[in-house]
Amino acid sequence: EADIYQTPRYLVIGTGKKITLECSQTMGHDKMYWYQQDPGMELHLIHYSYGVNSTEKGDLSSESTVSRIRTEHFPLTLESARPSHTSQYLCASSGDGSSGSPLHFGNGTRLTVT
Amino acid sequence: GENVEQHPSTLSVQEGDSAVIKCTYSDSASNYFPWYKQELGKRPQLIIDIRSNVGEKKDQRIAVTLNKTAKHFSLHITETQPEDSAVYFCAAGPYNTDKLIFGTGTRLQVFP
Repeated sequence: EADIYQTPRYLVIGTGKKITLECSQTMGHDKMYWYQQDPGMELHLIHYSYGVNSTEKGDLSSESTVSRIRTEHFPLTLESARPSHTSQYLCASSGDGSSGSPLHFGNGTRLTVT
Repeated sequence: GENVEQHPSTLSVQEGDSAVIKCTYSDSASNYFPWYKQELGKRPQLIIDIRSNVGEKKDQRIAVTLNKTAKHFSLHITETQPEDSAVYFCAAGPYNTDKLIFGTGTRLQVFP
């Protein structure tokens, strides 16, 4: 079944650790996004990509980085995690419809940095 | 850049009543307006969307209206049911959703 998958679902790590949040989609979409969301709060765009080798920063400044080497894969990396990075990270993808296409979200990774 | 305001932040209704959530946006270039429903602990799911060439769209108990002149759009849910309880997010952006900006969310509670 075509979907968008995120791993891990939950992650608790110590300050200073390097982490990578995985996101893969089997929907054949070119556009992918990372949003940061505190529980029940608004979603903030932190990174997006139009396709392979394309990455852009979103409106919310983030110390994370992303890469897009394969169409279906859009991992997010934190080189040195801090407690301020504690949040939920949602990956999304969308088609290329010129008339607008909705975002399809993954289940999210809930990150806690101690 | 685009700024989206959403009201109210919380809304409690009795089962069977109607619920209305309103959003305003600032960027007149925005022309795609989706609504997402997020149940507790789950991913946001698209429930309805509208584009700027349409003033109203309806899907069963859910409808969205758009006033481009006033730059506001609203979600209407009729005959509410307990399973409608969730956080609802509006969003605004250009057709290609590159920079979809979300509202702050409305927590809707439907009491049986």
